[in-house]
Amino acid sequence: EPEVTQTPSHQVTQMGQEVILRCVPISNHLYFYWYRQILGQKVEFLVSFYNNEISEKSEIFDDQFSVERPDGSNFTLKIRSTKLEDSAMYFCASSESSGSADTQYFGPGTRLTVL
Amino acid sequence: AQTVTQSQPEMSVQEAETVTLSCTYDTSENNYYLFWYKQPPSRQMILVIRQEAYKQQNATENRFSVNFQKAAKSFSLKISDSQLGDTAMYFCAFIRDSGTYKYIFGTGTRLKVLA
Repeated sequence: EPEVTQTPSHQVTQMGQEVILRCVPISNHLYFYWYRQILGQKVEFLVSFYNNEISEKSEIFDDQFSVERPDGSNFTLKIRSTKLEDSAMYFCASSESSGSADTQYFGPGTRLTVL
Repeated sequence: AQTVTQSQPEMSVQEAETVTLSCTYDTSENNYYLFWYKQPPSRQMILVIRQEAYKQQNATENRFSVNFQKAAKSFSLKISDSQLGDTAMYFCAFIRDSGTYKYIFGTGTRLKVLA
């Protein structure tokens, strides 16, 4: 069964450094998402992406964050200058079509640790 | 704003027994979708079951069933004949049926199935 994959599984970085988290969505999916989960807290929506544009973003997704689909398979989340509070598990998800009714399929997550 | 609450941070159940995980939510919307996702240790979240709010009939998926009480805004998950492989974190999620791609998650319930 097709799965969403994410790399790396764990990323350690110094405060102020840029990080890029990578995701390969399910191949026939057109809608892509990033969520994050700070340890012990809820999974929170960051951004959704369709047709090379952001379709929705949360207040967390500020100018430090950006997303890109650089080729036909990858979907990336970039954090320009990491802060300690960016330490979290980041989940990528994808769905086949638009609309609330369509199930989002999640990757295994990347644990980001900012020192 | 919508919120999702899972009041049981941890639960345990004996193998072959039945367990119910609680989820309540708050919304002023009439049309929405509810989901239970399972996250095994070090694995991705996978969809267990979903419920459309406009359907009165409770969703069932093999050993998993829900008790959806729309008026009470309650959406509990029942796992029958619990198996060791059911050990996981379980997340309840909500999405409203218009103009958004954003899942709203609860904080999760960690379920341990005991041999």
